[in-house]
Amino acid sequence: EAGVVQSPRYKIIEKKQPVAFWCNPISGHNTLYWYRQNLGQGPELLIRYENEEAVDDSQLPKDRFSAERLKGVDSTLKIQPAELGDSAVYLCASSLAGTLNEQFFGPGTRLTVL
Amino acid sequence: AQSVTQLDSQVPVFEEAPVELRCNYSSSVSVYLFWYVQYPNQGLQLLLKYLSGSTLVESINGFEAEFNKSQTSFHLRKPSVHISDTAEYFCAVSKAAGNKLTFGGGTRVLVKP
Repeated sequence: EAGVVQSPRYKIIEKKQPVAFWCNPISGHNTLYWYRQNLGQGPELLIRYENEEAVDDSQLPKDRFSAERLKGVDSTLKIQPAELGDSAVYLCASSLAGTLNEQFFGPGTRLTVL
Repeated sequence: AQSVTQLDSQVPVFEEAPVELRCNYSSSVSVYLFWYVQYPNQGLQLLLKYLSGSTLVESINGFEAEFNKSQTSFHLRKPSVHISDTAEYFCAVSKAAGNKLTFGGGTRVLVKP
């Protein structure tokens, strides 16, 4: 069974440019998460979806970040415009709905903003 | 709000020696506790978790962690490490499993032959 798929794996852009990351969760997983992992730190939650509804986006910088999960399956995270401080690894995870369910992580997208 | 502190950012250890990775947390409510492992160029994988019951939990590859409520700790141990245990290890807490995870800063373990 395929795990969480993310693309691209690496992205290098200049500041002020837009960028988008894509995530396809494990089949049947209703809950999807986007995390940001800065160098030398643990991941921090940006947004959590239950099906197509964003149920926790309190940590998402809404001035430049946006996310969507239109059909409740795959998801896109966008940054526009990117800033130097956005350089990080962006992780997607998914889990079955409800509590006590393990989150499965994708390999991440490493973003470098020049 | 919860927070997690991993006191050691790097732990070098020789093969077949024991290792302990320290994790302390703070929370005003009861939490669930997790250890995740990230091998080079791979995604995070769940190593073990404490939800309830016995305070000592074990993984299939020889790691164990003990929940200590009075010390708010969840230290990870392995009595004898292998080269393949070289990875970064993250401690995490959640108010309810499947909900938001709060991670520590990670501990990088380098196993030397």
